[in-house]
Amino acid sequence: EIVLTQSPGTLSLSPGERATLSCRASQSVSSSYLAWYQQKPGQAPRLLIYGASSRATGIPDRFSGSGSGADFTLTISRLEPEDFAVYYCQQYGSSPWTFGQGTKVEIK
Amino acid sequence: EVQLLESGGGLVQPGGSLRLSCAASGFTFSNYAMSWVRQAPEKGLEWVSAISGSGGSTYYADSVKGRFTISRDNSKNTLYLQLNTLRADDTAVYYCAKSPLYYDTLTGYHASYYFDYWGQGTLVTVSS
Repeated sequence: EIVLTQSPGTLSLSPGERATLSCRASQSVSSSYLAWYQQKPGQAPRLLIYGASSRATGIPDRFSGSGSGADFTLTISRLEPEDFAVYYCQQYGSSPWTFGQGTKVEIK
Repeated sequence: EVQLLESGGGLVQPGGSLRLSCAASGFTFSNYAMSWVRQAPEKGLEWVSAISGSGGSTYYADSVKGRFTISRDNSKNTLYLQLNTLRADDTAVYYCAKSPLYYDTLTGYHASYYFDYWGQGTLVTVSS
């Protein structure tokens, strides 16, 4: 089973700042099969990024994903008020498909 | 518009059973693999089980293998999860989620097990 470790656990930033979230896998994720999701309180997760760097439909271009192998990054170039939420990475290269424990982006 | 609507959650005693349903609309249900993903209170996401579009292949997390059964009725556009021998640590919101397809030039269409659409979830509480 591939274990995903996200860091930091919490990121305290102000609107307009840049957010950099990390997702590290315990082994290489095949074909960069890595996705990112955003979840707000009381809501279902929303797909942001798949294939490590492809934005899902309707996702603003301030969200970008990068990385390969075992190290991946989600970057939010300029935080908007609606971006404060919890973010999860997920690998789908090998079963069981696993999620990271999440990074909370909170308002500083 | 893709819609996924879960139902069937509730309060159940340890050792009990429950069946969750997920009614799908807005896409050709039989073409797509579906999954159940759960989230314990104040915790992260955990993939639970998946099923191929035809229903011929099923996958389970070790934590539920032998206790949960995933199935689908493509004539009713509905996904199911049968939960047996429930434990307190099965308490969670259970989401159904759709997986997209990708196309391989040699082998055709395949499921890609990330999740592009999610339902709003149904809460299962296991407690005496």
